[in-house]
Amino acid sequence: DGGITQSPKYLFRKEGQNVTLSCEQNLNHDAMYWYRQDPGQGLRLIYYSQIVNDFQKGDIAEGYSVSREKKESFPLTVTSAQKNPTAFYLCASSPGQKNQPQHFGDGTRLSIL
Amino acid sequence: AQKVTQAQTEISVVEKEDVTLDCVYETRDTTYYLFWYKQPPSGELVFLIRRNSFDEQNEISGRYSWNFQKSTSSFNFTITASQVVDSAVYFCALSEAIGAAGNKLTFGGGTRVLVKP
Repeated sequence: DGGITQSPKYLFRKEGQNVTLSCEQNLNHDAMYWYRQDPGQGLRLIYYSQIVNDFQKGDIAEGYSVSREKKESFPLTVTSAQKNPTAFYLCASSPGQKNQPQHFGDGTRLSIL
Repeated sequence: AQKVTQAQTEISVVEKEDVTLDCVYETRDTTYYLFWYKQPPSGELVFLIRRNSFDEQNEISGRYSWNFQKSTSSFNFTITASQVVDSAVYFCALSEAIGAAGNKLTFGGGTRVLVKP
């Protein structure tokens, strides 16, 4: 079945450590996105990518980095510069048309050790 | 800047009651799209409905209905005869075009719906 796969489901980070969250889609979508969700709050956009080898900062990009080397993959690295990384991270993708809904993965829950 | 407000943080109802979720948005765009998503306890967001700014026809789909009023910048969502499986967080989102492909969604803070048996 087509969909978006995020891994791992749970991730723990030590102080000063970089961690990478995986996001893969087999929907042949052009655009991909990363969101952060804090408890009891809505989603905030971290980064997005409209085509391979191109990406833009969202509203809260500081302390995060991404790459888009393949159409189906959009990994997110949470760097040590992100001082409050504990959150639920959701990856999404959408077709090229601007009016199409975004489809979401199951999320990765990141916690600090 | 775009903004979406969901004033209700939590709604608790007994099964079979109707539930209406409010959503008010702000945008300077003349063409835009509005979405409702459902987030069950498992965490993933499930797309429910999309509406464009030039189609104010309201819609009913099974137990779900939507009321879009451009004059008041509102896009409300109603669950009729609620069921326990409807318990989830519901998000309203506003779409902004971002260039070559895709869109940028601005989400409201979400409304948690708890349906008790």
